[in-house]
Amino acid sequence: DAGVIQSPRHEVTEMGQEVTLRCKPISGHNSLFWYRQTMMRGLELLIYFNNNVPIDDSGMPEDRFSAKMPNASFSTLKIQPSEPRDSAVYFCASSWREAGELFFGEGSRLTVL
Amino acid sequence: GENVEQHPSTLSVQEGDSAVIKCTYSDSASNYFPWYKQELGKRPQLIIDIRSNVGEKKDQRIAVTLNKTAKHFSLHITETQPEDSAVYFCAASDDKIIFGKGTRLHILP
Repeated sequence: DAGVIQSPRHEVTEMGQEVTLRCKPISGHNSLFWYRQTMMRGLELLIYFNNNVPIDDSGMPEDRFSAKMPNASFSTLKIQPSEPRDSAVYFCASSWREAGELFFGEGSRLTVL
Repeated sequence: GENVEQHPSTLSVQEGDSAVIKCTYSDSASNYFPWYKQELGKRPQLIIDIRSNVGEKKDQRIAVTLNKTAKHFSLHITETQPEDSAVYFCAASDDKIIFGKGTRLHILP
């Protein structure tokens, strides 16, 4: 398996634009997690899905953020409108189970100007 | 919800010495405690984990201890080497995995 695949790897956009980050989990994994990493706040859990169903989105900062998982092999994280404070590395991770080893993608580095 | 505190935020040790990183958690329902290593510019990767029915686990130079009563767990790295330089994250989980803020470990030559 190629591992967790994220795209884009880098995104530079202007404030107010819509940003869509994509993730393909490892085949057969039942749980998918979106994390945001910054120097100040570390690795923050934004949302996680189990069997394609959102289980906990309490970490989503505000209504500008939304996430979907239409099927077992694809998830998106959308920010609309984007703001400079959203600049961070966004990691997607998948796992066989909720409390199990996380396999991270390489991350999407977002810069909002 | 779960809250994980990690100390220290930065740690420098002489090559060959031991390094210890400590974490506390708040949710007594947490039963899974993994440790991840993140090298500069790379993704976090699991190095060792422990479940609540075990008090200690060892894998070569790394070991983890867990005190469920005190809600403490620690990572021990012995005989440190230059390639151990990285950021280490502890985490606690009942279902979702919540991370500490990380410890930047420097191995000094």
